[in-house]
Amino acid sequence: AQSVTQLDSQVPVFEEAPVELRCNYSSSVSVYLFWYVQYPNQGLQLLLKYLSGSTLVKGINGFEAEFNKSQTSFHLRKPSVHISDTAEYFCAVEAGGTSYGKLTFGQGTILTVHP
Amino acid sequence: ETGVTQTPRHLVMGMTNKKSLKCEQHLGHNAMYWYKQSAKKPLELMFVYNFKEQTENNSVPSRFSPECPNSSHLFLHLHTLQPEDSALYLCASSLRDRGTGNTIYFGEGSWLTVV
Repeated sequence: AQSVTQLDSQVPVFEEAPVELRCNYSSSVSVYLFWYVQYPNQGLQLLLKYLSGSTLVKGINGFEAEFNKSQTSFHLRKPSVHISDTAEYFCAVEAGGTSYGKLTFGQGTILTVHP
Repeated sequence: ETGVTQTPRHLVMGMTNKKSLKCEQHLGHNAMYWYKQSAKKPLELMFVYNFKEQTENNSVPSRFSPECPNSSHLFLHLHTLQPEDSALYLCASSLRDRGTGNTIYFGEGSWLTVV
C-alpha cells in the first residue's frame, strides 16, 4: 500500500515570494507521482507528473517539482507566486503496474498568497 | 471546461431519499472513477470502471451504487444516506494505457448534503 504525507496543511506567502510545498510518500513498489491543484468550488486540475527520467518536472503555471527517490519526496516549487495561485494543492501517488487510476492523495496544502 | 461534466453541482437530500449523481466525459477515455472528498480527510477512491466493467470497489457501503452504462457515462445512485456522507463527490476519467502514469481528469464535483 502507498501513503502520502503533505507536511504543511497551510502555507501563507506574499506575492512574488518563492514557495515550496512539501510531499513525502511511502511505497513498496515504484510509483508515479502527481501534483493537482483545486481552486475554490472547482475540481482538481493536474499541475505536473513524474513518471520516469529526469527528476525535475516542469508543469503548468510556472510550477516545478523534484523527485528524490532516496528521500521519497516530491516537493512542489514556484520561484515567484501570484495572487491567482491561491488554492489547495494535492500530492498523489499511483503504484506502477496495474494500479491504473488508483491514486492515493495527501491531505492537501492550502496555499494563500497575500498582496 | 475540463471535459468531465457532473450534474447536479449541488444536492440536498433527506436520509430516506433516493437520488443520483451523473457524470459524462467527452475525452474519449475508457476508465471512469468516483472519488469522495470530505472535510479534513484525503480524497478517497470509491469505484473504478474500466471499459464499463467495475474493477474496484474500495469497501464502499452499499447505500452507494454505481452504474456505468457506457464508457462515457457514470452514475452514482444514492439511497438511505447518512449525514456523514455529506461531501464533495468527484467524477474522473482517464485513458487506460500502461506506462503513461494514467493522467486523471476530474470534473468539478457534486456537493452533497444529507439532512
